[in-house]
Amino acid sequence: SQQGEEDPQALSIQEGENATMNCSYKTSINNLQWYRQNSGRGLVHLILIRSNEREKHSGRLRVTLDTSKKSSSLLITASRAADTASYFCATDLYNDMRFGAGTRLTVKP
Amino acid sequence: DTGVSQDPRHKITKRGQNVTFRCDPISEHNRLYWYRQTLGQGPEFLTYFQNEAQLEKSRLLSDRFSAERPKGSFSTLEIQRTEQGDSAMYLCASSLAPQGSPEQFFGPGTRLTVL
Repeated sequence: SQQGEEDPQALSIQEGENATMNCSYKTSINNLQWYRQNSGRGLVHLILIRSNEREKHSGRLRVTLDTSKKSSSLLITASRAADTASYFCATDLYNDMRFGAGTRLTVKP
Repeated sequence: DTGVSQDPRHKITKRGQNVTFRCDPISEHNRLYWYRQTLGQGPEFLTYFQNEAQLEKSRLLSDRFSAERPKGSFSTLEIQRTEQGDSAMYLCASSLAPQGSPEQFFGPGTRLTVL
C-alpha cells in the first residue's frame, strides 16, 4: 500500500515560474525523500530530509517537512522545460520505502 | 557505468509462463530493493535484501513471486504462472543503508507485458 499522497496530481506552469508540490503521509517516519521520474524511465533521487529537520535546500530545490502535520512540500524555483517529469515523495520508518502516486509536472517553454 | 542495471529491459510473455528478471546493484551497496510500478502510480514496495538475507516481503507479494540474492551481489525476481495483472514496470534499487545514506539508486526497470 502507498503511504504518501502528492498534491496536486498534475501541475502545468510556464518556464521560469516556481512549482510547488505537496506530500502528506500517515505514519511516523525516519526520513522523507523526493524523487523525479522522467517518462518511462527510472527514478532519480532529488533530496532527503530527516524527521528532525524542517527545511533543506539543494540548488533550485527547497523541501520543507512538518511532522506535526505529516506533510512535506517541494518547491522548484525558476523552472525549466527539463524539469518536466513526475515527482514522488517517499517515506520510510524502518527499512522499506512507501511512495505516493506522484505529481505530474509540465513546464511549458 | 557503475549504476544499477536491470536485464532484460522489456519482456513480453504469455499468461501462465514463468519469467525471471535480474538486477545488478551498485557494487558497494548492501541493500537491494524490488518495486513494481503501474501506469500513473508510484513504485510499490515488493521486497528487500540486506546482503544475501531477504528481510522483508510485502503482503502484496503473492506466492508466485520469489526473489533471491544468493551471494549478496546481483538479485533475481521470478514470477511463476504469470497473469495479465502482473504487467507492470519492475524496478530495482540499491542503497548504502543502514550504515550509510538511505538514498536509493534505481535501475531503468524491466517492463513486463503479459498477453
